[in-house]
Amino acid sequence: GEDVEQSLFLSVREGDSSVINCTYTDSSSTYLYWYKQEPGAGLQLLTYIFSNMDMKQDQRLTVLLNKKDKHLSLRIADTQTGDSAIYFCADTDTGRRALTFGSGTRLQVQP
Amino acid sequence: DGGITQSPKYLFRKEGQNVTLSCEQNLNHDAMYWYRQDPGQGLRLIYYSQIVNDFQKGDIAEGYSVSREKKESFPLTVTSAQKNPTAFYLCASSIAAGTQNEQFFGPGTRLTVL
Repeated sequence: GEDVEQSLFLSVREGDSSVINCTYTDSSSTYLYWYKQEPGAGLQLLTYIFSNMDMKQDQRLTVLLNKKDKHLSLRIADTQTGDSAIYFCADTDTGRRALTFGSGTRLQVQP
Repeated sequence: DGGITQSPKYLFRKEGQNVTLSCEQNLNHDAMYWYRQDPGQGLRLIYYSQIVNDFQKGDIAEGYSVSREKKESFPLTVTSAQKNPTAFYLCASSIAAGTQNEQFFGPGTRLTVL
């Protein structure tokens, strides 16, 4: 079956850039997503990228996609304490029209 | 305001009881989903529904049941057959047409077995 993998934890200092990485196995993925989850809350869509794109930038967020290596990354510029959360990448299970999620990366931003 | 609501926010269940988690959306979305989240793990798909009166099992459907009698509602019942139901449950919805499957999530229900 499909698999999406992420590292579990990342710690950065306020003002630095954060890079969260993700790998996936489904080569037929059309869209890939980044979601943010704050404690005790649901998931908030941050951004997504279509599989024929290499990069997408949206204010402080930059998504890079290496389709050959099936590698996705999310870069957060000028990371703030409010960015502390769990970040999930997800790809599209085209057969079931559902999403397959990674285990999430907990981002800790230190002042 | 359009969105997805889940109730209750916290739910306590005694062993052997069935409980039902509510999920309602007013986004006019065709598709709805239930996920389970355990600490340190990603979201796992329980059930999904692409259209009213139709639903499919996800990866961990055992011990759960759903219904989709109305477009805006997709309740999840956690039955006594679910041996380890303590978890955070998330409901989501999306427009079914096309390949872009952006899902919108509710705030979640935390279920604890006493």
